[in-house]
Order: sequence, then C-alpha cells, then structure tokens
Amino acid sequence: DAGVTQSPTHLIKTRGQHVTLRCSPISGHKSVSWYQQVLGQGPQFIFQYYEKEERGRGNFPDRFSARQFPNYSSELNVNALLLGDSALYLCASSLVAGEGSYEQYFGPGTRLTVT
Amino acid sequence: AQTVTQSQPEMSVQEAETVTLSCTYDTSESNYYLFWYKQPPSRQMILVIRQEAYKQQNATENRFSVNFQKAAKSFSLKISDSQLGDTAMYFCAFTDNAGNMLTFGGGTRLMVKP
Repeated sequence: DAGVTQSPTHLIKTRGQHVTLRCSPISGHKSVSWYQQVLGQGPQFIFQYYEKEERGRGNFPDRFSARQFPNYSSELNVNALLLGDSALYLCASSLVAGEGSYEQYFGPGTRLTVT
Repeated sequence: AQTVTQSQPEMSVQEAETVTLSCTYDTSESNYYLFWYKQPPSRQMILVIRQEAYKQQNATENRFSVNFQKAAKSFSLKISDSQLGDTAMYFCAFTDNAGNMLTFGGGTRLMVKP
C-alpha cells in the first residue's frame, strides 16, 4: 500500500510569490495535518483537517491556508512568501481526528527554498 | 500550552552498545500520548514507540524501550544493541487526548559509530 505522498519534492520560489503544496493521505485515512520543519528544529504544527473541515490551527499567520478535498487529499497554500518560510513541509495522515491514540503517518516532505 | 524539551542536541554511541535519549514535557492534561519519532537523513519521519499516559507499564518495541515517569513528566528512550541504521534525528512528541496536533521537541541527533 502506498504511504503518504507529497508533491513536489523540492521547490524554489522568490520572496512575495505564492506556493501550493500537495498531499495525498494513506488510503482510508480521513485526516491530514501539516507541519513546518525549519532546518535543525522540530516540526511545528500548522493545520489539521478532518472530513474537509479545519480541526486545528497552529500559530501561523493568515498567509498560510489549507483545504481538504472530497478524496481526502489536501493542499497547503502560502502567500507573500518570506525568506523565513524556507523549510521542510511535512504532511501527516491519520485514520481519524479527535483521538490521540491514532498514529500520524508522515510523508517525505516538500523542501521549500525562498530566495 | 504543552511544551516538549530535549536537552541533548547530539549524542553518539558505539555499535552494539546502549544509549538513552532524554525528553521532558509540560502539560496540565491528565490523559495524553507520548511518542518517539525517528527521522533518518532521508527525512521520512517514522514512529519508533508510543506511550499512553494512563498506562503505567513502560512501552517496548524490540530494541527500543521507554522510561515513562509521569510525576516527573519525563519520557526517555533507550536503544539497546545500537545499529548503524539507528543513526538519525530523534524527536520526542506529545499529543493530548483530542489528538489534534503533535507538539515536538527540538530533536537529538544520534550517531552510531562502527
């Protein structure tokens, strides 16, 4: 079975541009979460979506937005890119949301570089 | 808000020996879940072991075991018979019973030397 997939693998953008990152969860998983991992640090929670609704939001500016589609895949959008947005963006899927016992499975990430 | 602290930025161990990675956390929740994740240089985050706070027995998974001290809010990971493939970043993480988000520590870079 395929794990969590993310696209693209790498991305280089210029300050002020917009970027869209994509994630496909494990088949049967209905919840997707997004994390930002700056080099040398632990991942920071950005969003969680479950059944196409936002279930949680981390401490990120409104330039960050996301959505989940009927097939449970998800997009993370970042507007007006800043140099500080350069990071590895991780997507994680879980069977359901709202239950801490369910494991989150991570994808390989998208490496975003803002110049 | 919950916080997770890993006080050892880097550690090294000889192959076949045992190493312990430290983690402390802060929360006012009574029921929660703690995790250790491994992130090899290829960067895919993999769950190593999980502990449910209401269970007193320490979790074990083959060569990996934890020492969970709830009163001290401590959650250390012991790796026995270290292997070269254990070389990675290790992250301690916390989630509450609602499971809406994982809070990660800053990580410990473990190098296993031949």
